[in-house]
Amino acid sequence: DQQVKQNSPSLSVQEGRISILNCDYTNSMFDYFLWYKKYPAEGPTFLISISSIKDKNEDGRFTVFLNKSAKHLSLHIVPSQPGDSAVYFCAASGRTSYGKLTFGQGTILTVHP
Amino acid sequence: DTGVSQNPRHKITKRGQNVTFRCDPISEHNRLYWYRQTLGQGPEFLTYFQNEAQLEKSRLLSDRFSAERPKGSFSTLEIQRTEQGDSAMYLCASSRPTATNEKLFFGSGTQLSVL
Repeated sequence: DQQVKQNSPSLSVQEGRISILNCDYTNSMFDYFLWYKKYPAEGPTFLISISSIKDKNEDGRFTVFLNKSAKHLSLHIVPSQPGDSAVYFCAASGRTSYGKLTFGQGTILTVHP
Repeated sequence: DTGVSQNPRHKITKRGQNVTFRCDPISEHNRLYWYRQTLGQGPEFLTYFQNEAQLEKSRLLSDRFSAERPKGSFSTLEIQRTEQGDSAMYLCASSRPTATNEKLFFGSGTQLSVL
């Protein structure tokens, strides 16, 4: 039972353009959502998070949008840079333990110069 | 802040052997997590500690797996009688949660290969 799904295994974008990564979840008890970035041979690195009381959170080039009715969130990266090329994981948790994360399968983002 | 440190980075073992991994969290973090990641999947929660107390274990953590965090500092994850299905990246993370959110800092992981 995949409670967090990233349906696009990969995404290719030109440098300077927008990257949009999508994530769907099924568990209505989730109320805290995060995006992590992972480079090869490294652990995941926290990127941005959003609480269920918000529908948007912005941090520099990164914006996360949450649509609770659709159980959908997305990560927008503007402008995309070659250094953004990595695997991006969507994750979710509930109030009982915010650190007990349920991850999606990941999306490989490639930003071409 | 030296980050979360995991040792060893790689471990190759034969089926049936026991292995032990170590995790040193960020020093002021009171929570420590273990996750497992297999190829093409996201990390899966295994267990977590608040200080020295192990508060939750996933059903993924069979009785061949045991984790400890003596004195609430570093943690060890031991796998007894390893099986080929145990081959995975084992990730440790630590955090200092607030009332409304928690940001996990991950180590680089230990890649286990069971032959």
